[in-house]
Amino acid sequence: GPKVLQIPSHQIIDMGQMVTLNCDPVSNHLYFYWYKQILGQQMEFLVNFYNGKVMEKSKLFKDQFSVERPDGSYFTLKIQPTALEDSAVYFCASSSDRVSAETLYFGSGTRLTVL
Amino acid sequence: GEQVEQRPPHLSVREGDSAVIICTYTDPNSYYFFWYKQEPGAGLQLLMKVFSSTEINEGQGFTVLLNKKDKQLSLNLTAAHPGDSAVYFCAVRNNYAQGLTFGLGTRVSVFP
Repeated sequence: GPKVLQIPSHQIIDMGQMVTLNCDPVSNHLYFYWYKQILGQQMEFLVNFYNGKVMEKSKLFKDQFSVERPDGSYFTLKIQPTALEDSAVYFCASSSDRVSAETLYFGSGTRLTVL
Repeated sequence: GEQVEQRPPHLSVREGDSAVIICTYTDPNSYYFFWYKQEPGAGLQLLMKVFSSTEINEGQGFTVLLNKKDKQLSLNLTAAHPGDSAVYFCAVRNNYAQGLTFGLGTRVSVFP
């Protein structure tokens, strides 16, 4: 079936540095999402993105976070600067439509560790 | 906002037996319900999406029940086999909320 690829699968970084998480969504999908899962907690919505713009974001999407998808390449989540509380698994997802019941296809996640 | 409680967190099932995972949600306006399966090293795979008008939904090797009165969504694995070993997540959405609200997940292990 359709696959979403996330690169890298693990990333370790020092607090204060910048990190970019990459997502290769399903081709021809138009809506892109990031979710965050802290160890032992629920997966939580961060942001969704369409047509080059952030459509919705949660309170977890701090000012240090940004997303973009330049020229149909990777959909990225950038954190600058990173903080200890950013340590989590970040899941990317894509869908062909924003309709509420539309199927989201998820990647396998990037585990980010901030030291 | 919406809260989703999923139980149990872990489930060991003998091959051929059935198993039930239950999610309880709080928002009566929830309208879309999803079950995802995550195998080791893989992304979340959609098992089934359920609309609030449908109470019983059957898939291949499982049944999903929606009890709106009690605000419960359940996944019943019938005749479990080793390929069912995975983490299962429920997710809930209404028409106005941001994104999906997920349960914590249930790790299912099927043993011979």
